[in-house]
Amino acid sequence: EAQVTQNPRYLITVTGKKLTVTCSQNMNHEYMSWYRQDPGLGLRQIYYSMNVEVTDKGDVPEGYKVSRKEKRNFPLILESPSPNQTSLYFCASMLHPPRTDTQYFGPGTRLTVL
Amino acid sequence: QKEVEQNSGPLSVPEGAIASLNCTYSDRGSQSFFWYRQYSGKSPELIMFIYSNGDKEDGRFTAQLNKASQYVSLLIRDSQPSDSATYLCAVSNSGGSNYKLTFGKGTLLTVNP
Repeated sequence: EAQVTQNPRYLITVTGKKLTVTCSQNMNHEYMSWYRQDPGLGLRQIYYSMNVEVTDKGDVPEGYKVSRKEKRNFPLILESPSPNQTSLYFCASMLHPPRTDTQYFGPGTRLTVL
Repeated sequence: QKEVEQNSGPLSVPEGAIASLNCTYSDRGSQSFFWYRQYSGKSPELIMFIYSNGDKEDGRFTAQLNKASQYVSLLIRDSQPSDSATYLCAVSNSGGSNYKLTFGKGTLLTVNP
């Protein structure tokens, strides 16, 4: 089954404690991205990756890091989380731009930073 | 700042009616247009995409695009309670190394039995 998986699905943490949200896809997609979704603000892109070892900033990259060492994995790293990073996070992958019709979203990770 | 605007709703329609969802975008260079459905607490799911001016139909869904007016819409015929969800409009640029997909904030649709 074609899918994007994220872990953990739910996380409550405290300010300043480094965390990583993993994302993995099994479709051999080249393009992967991370979004955050907040009430009243919609989906906003954090980072994206066109392929292995190629990443770039989206609209709201501050406070986040990513890496793309393998095609299937695209972890999101919060080095020092703050309460304003409390949000619902989605990882997504697509075959390659501009094939947005092939885009799949992961199930989401709900993060709370106290 | 490239923007995608949608009415936030909620849009309420009776079962069996036509639901009309609208979206405008600011970037005239936008190439591709997408509609996602998102149930509460779930991830977005692509339901329609359109690249050319005019209408595109898929079952009960019709997407309409007017690039001159920078307007894209989604019609849902014979609306069902299971169509109750937030509908996200998304617009992409020309692609290549600067590919970008911009989402609107979504319209909440409620279909009343």
